Amino acid sequence: AQSVTQPDIHITVSEGASLELRCNYSYGATPYLFWYVQSPGQGLQLLLKYFSGDTLVQGIKGFEAEFKRSQSSFNLRKPSVHWSDAAEYFCAVGAPGNTPLVFGKGTRLSVIA
Amino acid sequence: NAGVTQTPKFRILKIGQSMTLQCTQDMNHNYMYWYRQDPGMGLKLIYYSVGAGITDKGEVPNGYNVSRSTTEDFPLRLELAAPSQTSVYFCASSKDPRNSNQPQHFGDGTRLSIL
Repeated sequence: AQSVTQPDIHITVSEGASLELRCNYSYGATPYLFWYVQSPGQGLQLLLKYFSGDTLVQGIKGFEAEFKRSQSSFNLRKPSVHWSDAAEYFCAVGAPGNTPLVFGKGTRLSVIA
Repeated sequence: NAGVTQTPKFRILKIGQSMTLQCTQDMNHNYMYWYRQDPGMGLKLIYYSVGAGITDKGEVPNGYNVSRSTTEDFPLRLELAAPSQTSVYFCASSKDPRNSNQPQHFGDGTRLSIL
C-alpha cells in the first residue's frame, strides 16, 4: 500500500520569499501524486497533479512541484509567496485501481510581512 | 457549478444521539468518499463508494454507516454519537481514479462537536 510523509508540520516564510514544502511517498511503482491546499474553514482545492511525463508540473496560483523518483519525493515550490498563500497544504498519493488517495498529515504555512 | 455540497456546516450533538451528514454532487461522479480531519492528523478515510449500491470501509469506519442509493448522494450516519467523533467531516467525489487524472473534488466540510 502507498503512504506519504510530510516532514514539516508548520513553516513560516516572509512575504516575497521562496517556498518549498516537502513530500515523500512510499509506493512500489510510479505513483499518482497530488498537492491540495486548504484555506481556513474550506475544503481542499487541487493545486497540481503528476501522473507521468514531465517531472516538473505547473499548477494554479503560481505553484509547481517536481517528481524525483530517486528520492521518492514530490516537493511543492513557489518562487515568491503572497500573504494569501497562508493555508494548510496536503500531499496525496494514489495508485492505479480502486484504491482511494492517501493523504499526508499536512503542512501549515504561515506568511509574515 | 455546485460541485460537492455538504449539509449541515455545523452541528452540536449530545452523546448517544444520532444524525446523518448529507453529501450530494452534481458532476455525475462514480466515486464518493467520506473523510474525517482531526488536528495534526490529516485526512482519514471513513468509507467510500465506487458507484450506486456499492460501499467499502476505509481506514476508520467504526461508529459510522453509509449508503449509496443514487449516484448523486452519499450520506454518512452516526448512530450513537461519541466524543471521539468530534471532528471535521469532508465529503469528496471523483469520476474514476483508475483513469489516472481524476483528482478528488471536496465539499466545504461539516464541523461536528459531540458533548
